[in-house]
Amino acid sequence: EVQLLESGGDLVRPGGSLRLSCAATGFTFRNFAMAWVRQAPGKGPEWVSGISASGGSTYYIDSVKGRFTISRDNSKDTLFLEMNSLRGEDTAIYYCAKDVNRVVVAPVVGFDIWGQGTLVSVS
Amino acid sequence: SSELTQDPAVSVALGQTVTITCRGDSLGTFYAGWFQQKPRQAPLLVIYGKNTRPSGIPDRFSGSASGKTSSLTITGAQAEDEADYYCASRDTSGDHVLFGGGTKLTVL
Repeated sequence: EVQLLESGGDLVRPGGSLRLSCAATGFTFRNFAMAWVRQAPGKGPEWVSGISASGGSTYYIDSVKGRFTISRDNSKDTLFLEMNSLRGEDTAIYYCAKDVNRVVVAPVVGFDIWGQGTLVSVS
Repeated sequence: SSELTQDPAVSVALGQTVTITCRGDSLGTFYAGWFQQKPRQAPLLVIYGKNTRPSGIPDRFSGSASGKTSSLTITGAQAEDEADYYCASRDTSGDHVLFGGGTKLTVL
């Protein structure tokens, strides 16, 4: 079964850190770009970061640049998001999502597999 | 950077056709993806690229584009199509992904 399973969300104080993980099963993880997308309570989705299939290219929304780091371990089919200097506005459900592309910067946007999400609360 | 603009709410009678639109400068260059989200669920990709449906998405969902506007059409809307719909595309730099503000679809 194609599945993404996030973990690592928690309640943390402002200025604190968290590391999110996303375990992939059922598809060839190393062949696809991946992303983290968050959704604050009552709001729409917000793309946070993307990483190419190889891990060689990474991209971030401006509000998290320098605080968050996306990475992947293709030998373990796992995606990560290291989150530092957390702020109240980072409070959201964080989803990992499989890109339909191998690269992040592509003409087509499509995240065809999503995890169930993990809640990050900063307070 | 840029924005993607959607109408906040749209309604359709059961079995009728409805079109949800998304406007933005980047749509003149990049394709939109369309996501359906029901309460307490993760978003679900329903259309991407020129007009591609992922496996399992009913063929009543279709996509189109013209100029700086992308559209999602549901032909013969069903009760289970009631949901929030979000478009997404690259920003004008191409480096980031933007989501629209969402359209709440009510099936009457």
